Amino acid sequence: QLQLQESGPGLMKPSETLSLTCTVSGGSISSGSYYWGWIRQPPGKGLEWIGSMYYTETYYNPSLESRVTISVDTSKKQFSLKLRSVTAADTAVYYCARHYNWKYPFDYWGQGILVTVSS
Amino acid sequence: DIQMTQSPASLSASVGDRVTITCRASQSVSSYLNWYQQKPGKAPKLLIYDASSLESGVPSRFSGSGSGTEFTLTISSLQPEDFASYYCQQSYSIPLTFGGGTKVEIK
Repeated sequence: QLQLQESGPGLMKPSETLSLTCTVSGGSISSGSYYWGWIRQPPGKGLEWIGSMYYTETYYNPSLESRVTISVDTSKKQFSLKLRSVTAADTAVYYCARHYNWKYPFDYWGQGILVTVSS
Repeated sequence: DIQMTQSPASLSASVGDRVTITCRASQSVSSYLNWYQQKPGKAPKLLIYDASSLESGVPSRFSGSGSGTEFTLTISSLQPEDFASYYCQQSYSIPLTFGGGTKVEIK
């Protein structure tokens, strides 16, 4: 059974760079046609897609594209999110998830990690 | 960006009720519409994909319909474990976008 697990800091200060890692277990991160993505959810609010990657191709939400980088380390079975110059508006639960391609839904999700941005 | 609008934002219902949630897209998404259930403190769980296909393991009381710009999620007989928030999501074009959610509460 595929499992995804997010890790990273829970508390950050404004202007810092958020770095999160998603570790994939129970399956391969480098085989098949799967995309690996990040979605976030501010407390009490809805879901926002941040971006996804497929092999070396990356796709970002234009609203965040200038601050986001998603990368993969297949040897560690991990993919990562970096979000630069965070503000309080970036406070959210961050989820990593898998989807087969653009036309398919997110079928496996991590449990999520709360990241709070506060001075 | 394709805007997804869900209605109602919340509803109160009793066990055994038939519940319908609507999702409208600002432009056609064909049938590339997915539904998720989210319980407090948990990740979303996929219920329906391609507007009407039931994800494996999801109870048959959940069903989806629609195409183009208007979609519905129906729970035929609400069970205690169905009290949760529900989100639609279009996978027609980038950026992928979600509806604002519908919270189903106990009456």
